[in-house]
Amino acid sequence: EAQVTQNPRYLITVTGKKLTVTCSQNMNHEYMSWYRQDPGLGLRQIYYSMNVEVTDKGDVPEGYKVSRKEKRNFPLILESPSPNQTSLYFCASSPGQINQPQHFGDGTRLSIL
Amino acid sequence: AQSVTQPDIHITVSEGASLELRCNYSYGATPYLFWYVQSPGQGLQLLLKYFSGDTLVQGIKGFEAEFKRSQSSFNLRKPSVHWSDAAEYFCAVGGETNAGKSTFGDGTTLTVKP
Repeated sequence: EAQVTQNPRYLITVTGKKLTVTCSQNMNHEYMSWYRQDPGLGLRQIYYSMNVEVTDKGDVPEGYKVSRKEKRNFPLILESPSPNQTSLYFCASSPGQINQPQHFGDGTRLSIL
Repeated sequence: AQSVTQPDIHITVSEGASLELRCNYSYGATPYLFWYVQSPGQGLQLLLKYFSGDTLVQGIKGFEAEFKRSQSSFNLRKPSVHWSDAAEYFCAVGGETNAGKSTFGDGTTLTVKP
């Protein structure tokens, strides 16, 4: 089954403790992206990757890092999480052509105390 | 800069009634436009997309949307709403300028009354 898989689905942690949210897709998609969803603010793009070893900032990249060493994986790294990064995070992928829609994971709910 | 505005935060309609969700976009070139739906606890699912050609596009679940370049709008419509349509709906824009950047609206929550 074609899917985007995020782990963990839920995480409660404390300020300053480094964490990684993994994202993996099995569709051989070139494009991957991370979003955060906050009430009343819709989805805001954090980082995206057009292909392996190619990443770019979205609208809200501060406090986040990403890497794209393999086509299927696009982890989101919070080096020193802060409470304002408490949010619902989505990973998405698409075949790469810009007119292709994105396939979304089920989301990761992060709470940073 | 690209942007999307969904003017209606929350809409309530009766089951069987028609529906229109508004979306206005700003984009410097030819936009690629999408509507996604999000059910509670789920990721986003594509309803329909517009890139070029016929300005009235058909999607899944009986939804359609009309692209109006002169009004910078891409409104979503459904002639008869079902209770299962209750969800949050997002309009999104992208394109060849800043390829890779996707901008979503703040979403419209649809409630369906029995």
